Amino acid sequence: ETGVTQSPTHLIKTRGQQVTLRCSSQSGHNTVSWYQQALGQGPQFIFQYYREEENGRGNFPPRFSGLQFPNYSSELNVNALELDDSALYLCASLKNRGAGGYTFGSGTRLTVV
Amino acid sequence: AQRVTQPEKLLSVFKGAPVELKCNYSYSGSPELFWYVQYSRQRLQLLLRHISRESIKGFTADLNKGETSFHLKKPFAQEEDSAMYYCALRGNYGGSQGNLIFGKGTKLSVKP
Repeated sequence: ETGVTQSPTHLIKTRGQQVTLRCSSQSGHNTVSWYQQALGQGPQFIFQYYREEENGRGNFPPRFSGLQFPNYSSELNVNALELDDSALYLCASLKNRGAGGYTFGSGTRLTVV
Repeated sequence: AQRVTQPEKLLSVFKGAPVELKCNYSYSGSPELFWYVQYSRQRLQLLLRHISRESIKGFTADLNKGETSFHLKKPFAQEEDSAMYYCALRGNYGGSQGNLIFGKGTKLSVKP
């Protein structure tokens, strides 16, 4: 059984640029969530996808957007990067929304300069 | 408001001592609570869920609805328990089911 894999592991971008982060869900998991973890903080919920549709969103602006594909892999896109977007971005998958515990990836460390 | 509070940033104990990591929550309705652990240079891992009432690696946690708490306990700490511990609540943002609301975490340091 494969786990959750994220790419890239590290990324440096310039303020104003756009970035795409990728996630492959654990096999058989049809729900994926993205979290932002700033230094010294717990993860903050960005949004969740279930069967390719967004079905929940946290307190993040529209420049944070996502996609889920038929194979349940997922992308997180962030436009117009700001310095405060520097964080660890975590992807987590779940077998069925609202049930069980999430399996987390190792994250992508994004630094905006 | 849905919120998780972990009042201690750092908890330092000696090996063999009892450990209690505090977690309080705010939630309307029946909460579903979790403890996640992150060992150094590793990903977040599910430690236990209150629904399953399991004991993992000697850790237990009891949901106390009266005190809105879900404290994590272990009678005898081991050095390998040193890690970041996050308490989390399954929330309900915008009608979604399944997102997690995390506390800020407690760093447990077990000294030899």
